[in-house]
Amino acid sequence: DAGVTQSPTHLIKTRGQQVTLRCSPISGHKSVSWYQQVLGQGPQFIFQYYEKEERGRGNFPDRFSARQFPNYSSELNVNALLLGDSALYLCASSSIGGSEQYFGPGTRLTVT
Amino acid sequence: EDQVTQSPEALRLQEGESSSLNCSYTVSGLRGLFWYRQDPGKGPEFLFTLYSAGEEKEKERLKATLTKKESFLHITAPKPEDSATYLCAVQAGDTGRRALTFGSGTRLQVQP
Repeated sequence: DAGVTQSPTHLIKTRGQQVTLRCSPISGHKSVSWYQQVLGQGPQFIFQYYEKEERGRGNFPDRFSARQFPNYSSELNVNALLLGDSALYLCASSSIGGSEQYFGPGTRLTVT
Repeated sequence: EDQVTQSPEALRLQEGESSSLNCSYTVSGLRGLFWYRQDPGKGPEFLFTLYSAGEEKEKERLKATLTKKESFLHITAPKPEDSATYLCAVQAGDTGRRALTFGSGTRLQVQP
């Protein structure tokens, strides 16, 4: 079975631009979470969606937004990019009743 | 606020030299404690979930244990391929959120 997939793999953007990252969960999983991981630190929670509704939000500014589609895939949008947004963005999927989260390979975002 | 502290930050072992990694946590109502392995530039790979004090899980050369305040990841006779960053995370059970709170990880290097 395919695991969590994310696209693109790498992305380079300029300060002030906007970016959209995409995630497809494991087949049968209806919950998707997004995390930001800067170098040398553990992942930090950004959003969780299940059944297409936002169920949790971490301590991130309103420049960050997300949505989940009817097929349970998800997009993370970041507006007005700052240098500090450079990080590995991770998507994780889980079943509704399960607690384990399975991560994708991540999207490496570089803001110049 | 949920908190996770991992120690040591980095650990260098000789092949075959057993050791333990520590994860101390504070959380309001533990739903689960998770261990992940992360290779450079990749997403975290799920290893174990522990739910209650006294629980133990094993996989190959790894064994995870849990008390009310900390978890240990024991590595027995490690091999160079065990070199990676090991992440610990907790999930609170007293809210509907499923967000994971991560520690900063322990970077393990196993030398042949």
